[in-house]
Amino acid sequence: DIVLTQSPGTLSLFPGERATLSCRASQSLTRTSLAWYQQKPGRAPRLLIYGVSSRAAGISDRFSGSGSGTDFTLTINRLEAEDYAVYYCQQYGSSPLSFGGGTKVEIK
Amino acid sequence: EVQLLESGGGLVQPGGSLRLSCEASGFTSSSFGMSWVRQAPGKGLEWLSSISNSGGSTYYADSVTGRFTISRDNSKNTLFLEMNNLRVEDTAVYYCAKDRSWYGSGSFLDSWGQGTLVTVS
Repeated sequence: DIVLTQSPGTLSLFPGERATLSCRASQSLTRTSLAWYQQKPGRAPRLLIYGVSSRAAGISDRFSGSGSGTDFTLTINRLEAEDYAVYYCQQYGSSPLSFGGGTKVEIK
Repeated sequence: EVQLLESGGGLVQPGGSLRLSCEASGFTSSSFGMSWVRQAPGKGLEWLSSISNSGGSTYYADSVTGRFTISRDNSKNTLFLEMNNLRVEDTAVYYCAKDRSWYGSGSFLDSWGQGTLVTVS
């Protein structure tokens, strides 16, 4: 099974700053089969990024994904109030599907 | 607009059973795989099960294999999760989600329901 480790656990940033979130896989992903989700308190997750770097419909271009092999990054440029949330990575190239433990982006 | 509406959650005793439903609208549900994901209180996301568009292929996490059964009724645009022998650690919000692909294995989840809370106590 592929284990995804996200870091840091919490990221404290001012509005306008850049957030860099990491997701490391225990094995190399054989395809570009990595997605990122955003979840706000009391809400369902929302797809942000799929295929490592493709933005989902309606997602701001301030969100970008990159990486390959075992190391992946979600970057959020110019943080806005609506971006403060928990972010999860997910791999879907290998069964069972798995999620990382999440990174909380909080207002500093 | 894709909409997924879960129902069937509630309070159940350990060892009991519950059946969750997820009604889909706004897309041709018979063309896509569907999945269930849960989130224990204050914890992260855990994939549980997926099913292909026809229902012919199903996939389960080890934690629920043999206890949970995923199924679908495409004539009613509804996804189900039958949960038996429930444990305290099954307490969570259960989300249904739409796969991007049809085959029910190896997909990201591009739409989610609002979730239904299952409490085992």
